[in-house]
Amino acid sequence: AQSVTQLGSHVSVSEGALVLLRCNYSSSVPPYLFWYVQYPNQGLQLLLKYTSAATLVKGINGFEAEFKKSETSFHLTKPSAHMSDAAEYFCAVSVAGGGSNYKLTFGKGTLLTVNP
Amino acid sequence: DAGVTQSPTHLIKTRGQQVTLRCSPKSGHDTVSWYQQALGQGPQFIFQYYEEEERQRGNFPDRFSGHQFPNYSSELNVNALLLGDSALYLCASSFGRSFYGYTFGSGTRLTVV
Repeated sequence: AQSVTQLGSHVSVSEGALVLLRCNYSSSVPPYLFWYVQYPNQGLQLLLKYTSAATLVKGINGFEAEFKKSETSFHLTKPSAHMSDAAEYFCAVSVAGGGSNYKLTFGKGTLLTVNP
Repeated sequence: DAGVTQSPTHLIKTRGQQVTLRCSPKSGHDTVSWYQQALGQGPQFIFQYYEEEERQRGNFPDRFSGHQFPNYSSELNVNALLLGDSALYLCASSFGRSFYGYTFGSGTRLTVV
């Protein structure tokens, strides 16, 4: 079974500072990895996804993530935080195999606060 | 192009009652998955429907059931509601058994009192 651990339930940065949200995964087979963002009282919006192509994945709103198999990590970064980035971020893993198991398994989320 | 549409957006039910939530997938999508997101938690997979059949199920009791219609829309039914069923219920659609990500709706906020 696959699982995701997001390190840090709450991250606070200053506007213009680097954003780093950590995600480690566990999977017995090659995973597909995703980052989603959730604004208050809204659903989930896909930021980016890793599907076994390039290990450095660029997403929307200036976010990117790097898949590191040796570290089983998929950390999310953004060079310069903007006030509008304040939201909850979820890392998720999905595995393919046997015609099933395409469900997403989510981490518990990291709340990003951006200070002016 | 309409995304995933869920209804209602909010509802309040009493313990022991039954509730039905509805989802219309994104145009071109034929697979619907349901997730439960408790306050302060990540979404938890309930089940997935494809070709009008439940294809996979998460660790949820039989009180949770669903249906998919020929137009790919879906319903989530919860019987004998418990206080612990209070959560945001998210519907996600995809094309086929996609592992390239899903499109999520805005959810239905269910409060059980």
